[in-house]
Amino acid sequence: EVQLMESGGDLVQPGGSLRLSCVASEFIFSNYWMTWVRQAPGKGLEWVAIINPDGSEKSYADSVKGRFTISRDNSKNSLYLQIDSLRAEDMAIYYCARDDGWGYKVYWGQGTPVTVSS
Amino acid sequence: VMTQTPLSLSVTPGQPASISCKSSQSLLHSNGNTYLHWYLQKPGQSPQVLIYEVSRRSSGVPDRFSGSGSGTDFTLKISRVEAEDVGVYYCMEGTHLRTFGQGTKVEIK
Repeated sequence: EVQLMESGGDLVQPGGSLRLSCVASEFIFSNYWMTWVRQAPGKGLEWVAIINPDGSEKSYADSVKGRFTISRDNSKNSLYLQIDSLRAEDMAIYYCARDDGWGYKVYWGQGTPVTVSS
Repeated sequence: VMTQTPLSLSVTPGQPASISCKSSQSLLHSNGNTYLHWYLQKPGQSPQVLIYEVSRRSSGVPDRFSGSGSGTDFTLKISRVEAEDVGVYYCMEGTHLRTFGQGTKVEIK
């Protein structure tokens, strides 16, 4: 069964940094686009970033461009999200998801929470 | 921008429900496909896909769920709402930058 497991969420001060990880299993990770989606407390879903199978193409939502970096290590079946210059509005549950084509996401992780507070 | 209406819906079990999703730009890709998907997030759970590419039901999704539309206007219909259908429904476009709608909360009367 396909599994995605996020980790790395934490309580961080405004202006701080954090690296989220997502470990994939039971599918050929290096064949798929992968994406991060977040959900602020009580709010809707917001697409954050996407990366292609070999890591050479990346796209970001305008709200995170320049502060977030998506990356992957196919040898470790792992997806990452480096979050810098954290703001209060970045506080959310961060989900990783496998993108099966043009936004079609069948498999999602359980999410990892990021709390921003001084 | 993806705009969903209504933002909330209270439905009697067994009755139909319909959610509209309008895009500020056409979702018809130059390759001829339209990448509009529907997700459901049940309380306390991760989102799950229901419909992809406007009208294709994802594996395991009951046939009471159907999608339709083209260009900028799309609709998700539930033919007979069941208690397990409660949650927040999101449309999402994959043609441009994978933007989600605001969500429509469905409750049971």
